Amino acid sequence: QVHLVESGGGVVQPGRSLRLSCAASGFSFGTYGMHWVRQAPGQGLEWVAAIWFDGSDKYYSDSVRGRFTISRDTSKNMLYLQMSSLRAEDTAVYFCARDRGDCTGTMCYFFDSWGQGTLVTVSS
Amino acid sequence: DIVMTQSPDSLAVSLGARATINCRSSQSVLYTSNYRNYFAWYQQKPGQPPKLLIYWASTRESGVPDRFSGSGSGTDFTLTISSLQAEDVAIYYCQQYHSPPYTFGQGTKLEIK
Repeated sequence: QVHLVESGGGVVQPGRSLRLSCAASGFSFGTYGMHWVRQAPGQGLEWVAAIWFDGSDKYYSDSVRGRFTISRDTSKNMLYLQMSSLRAEDTAVYFCARDRGDCTGTMCYFFDSWGQGTLVTVSS
Repeated sequence: DIVMTQSPDSLAVSLGARATINCRSSQSVLYTSNYRNYFAWYQQKPGQPPKLLIYWASTRESGVPDRFSGSGSGTDFTLTISSLQAEDVAIYYCQQYHSPPYTFGQGTKLEIK
């Protein structure tokens, strides 16, 4: 059974940094691409970042590129999101999500398992 | 960016009745090389993460009840719930995975009439 648990959220001042973590279990973590997707309070879903199964490729939305870094540690079954230069508009619940992963050897970019999310609030 | 627009924004349907949610993409999400629509539907209940319902526009995810079905191609897609159950109250989102950024619709809130 796939289990994804995010942590690291909290209240942070604008311009500061924060690192989110996602602990994965119940599947072969090292064979799946992973994503971060966020949801501002009362709003819809926004894809944030993706990382290939082996960490060799990473992709970002325009709204976070250059400020956020996605990474993974397969030995620990962990996914991370390093967030810097945080802005009020980054306030959201951040979900860790698993890529479907059966799209002819590459990532599919849709999400078949999700964590419960961790809330990041950027406020002075 | 591909813009996904859902209609309606909210919907109230009687128990046992059919519910239909539409989604339109600003560009085609069909790859003619494999004739697949890079399109998915998710269900999000209050306080929960989204749940994958449908992918490739019409393939039901394992464990999803067969009252949920997806249809459409190119730019116009539909999610149909054939006989609404109380547990189907949720917000439904469409998503395209044809081109980055992988965008979602704004959501359709489904309630019981």
